[in-house]
Parts: sequence; structure tokens; C-alpha cells
Amino acid sequence: DAMVIQNPRYQVTQFGKPVTLSCSQTLNHNVMYWYQQKSSQAPKLLFHYYDKDFNNEADTPDNFQSRRPNTSFCFLDIRSPGLGDAAMYLCATSVSRGQGARDTQYFGPGTRLTVL
Amino acid sequence: AQSVSQHNHHVILSEAASLELGCNYSYGGTVNLFWYVQYPGQHLQLLLKYFSGDPLVKGIKGFEAEFIKSKFSFNLRKPSVQWSDTAEYFCAVGPYNQGGKLIFGQGTELSVKP
Repeated sequence: DAMVIQNPRYQVTQFGKPVTLSCSQTLNHNVMYWYQQKSSQAPKLLFHYYDKDFNNEADTPDNFQSRRPNTSFCFLDIRSPGLGDAAMYLCATSVSRGQGARDTQYFGPGTRLTVL
Repeated sequence: AQSVSQHNHHVILSEAASLELGCNYSYGGTVNLFWYVQYPGQHLQLLLKYFSGDPLVKGIKGFEAEFIKSKFSFNLRKPSVQWSDTAEYFCAVGPYNQGGKLIFGQGTELSVKP
């Protein structure tokens, strides 16, 4: 089945130690999103790729970076994780036909990050 | 600032009870509206969506939602819930012309007692 896959499902890292989360998709969607969801809070968009174009949200900390080497894969890099970065990280994809298009996002299962 | 508010954090119902979950948003422009559901241990799944046309939309598993533009609301309803509806429900708003961005509410946890 076509899907959005996130690896690992659980990640434990140490304070300040860089970590990379992975997302892959078999849907061939041109847009990929990364959301952060802290406990009992709404998912919050960090950034997204529209094809190869990176779009950062204004309030996303510089500590968070992303790479999209090809259509299928997208990575979230946290350069120096702090305790406040512990959260569920959700990857989503959509097929967008342009600004204002009526896109539905498809979500992966998420990676739960713990920072010790 | 754009925001989405879900009125209830946790709702507990008995099977066969009717459900209504409230969702209000603050954004003055055109929006796309969604309800997503997350069953225990599973990922977010689309329940239903509204883009335009009939403001009453029907989704999977007997759910429906009504868009009331004047109230900036998109409430979710189901006439008779089942134990299998136990899940977390998220309302999300996609402002038009913002690259497909979604703004989520903080979610409502629904527990259905058998």
C-alpha cells in the first residue's frame, strides 16, 4: 500500500547531540511537511518542501533543519536538541496543484523524540 | 494570529449517544477545513474535509460536519457513537494560498464506554 513511513518510531538522544529523523513516501506527492506535536498540544508546522523549494515557518527555531534529496525522502535534522524539543514529529505529504489548491495531507505514524 | 480552537479536551460518552465536537477558527480569508482522527496507536487519518459547496459534508464511518461561515465554525457530529470511535479528533484549517499549510486545534479525546 502507498504510504508515508517514518523512521525510527522512537528516538532517544542526549541533550545537545544532533539527531536526524527520516520520512519516506510511496505516494509520489510533491509536497512534504514536518510538524512538531508536544504533549497535549496541536501539531505545529515547522516547514515544508514544495517540490525542491524549502518553506520555513517564521517561528521555527534555527536549530531545526530539513533536507529533501529526492521526491521520496525528507529528513528533519535537529542540530542541538534541548529538553524542550522532546515531542512527536509528524511527517505529511500532499499532491499540490499550486497555491490555493485543495490539498489533503497524508500523515505518517510519527517519531517520538526523547531528549535526556 | 491564525488559530483553531476545539471546545472540549476530553469527551466521555456511552455507546449510541450522539456526538458533537466544536471547532472554531480565526482567519478572515478563504479556508479549507478538515477533521482528522487518530485511533490509539495509529497515525492521523482524514475523517472528512470541506473545500466549497454544500456546507454539510459527510465523511467516513457516519461522521458529518457543518461549516457555518458566519460563526467561523466547523463542528463534527455523529448521531450514534460506537466503542470503536474512541480516538483523538483534530480540527484543522488550511488558509487558502498559504502553500497547503494546516493549522490544527489541540484535539479532543473521545472515550466511548461500551
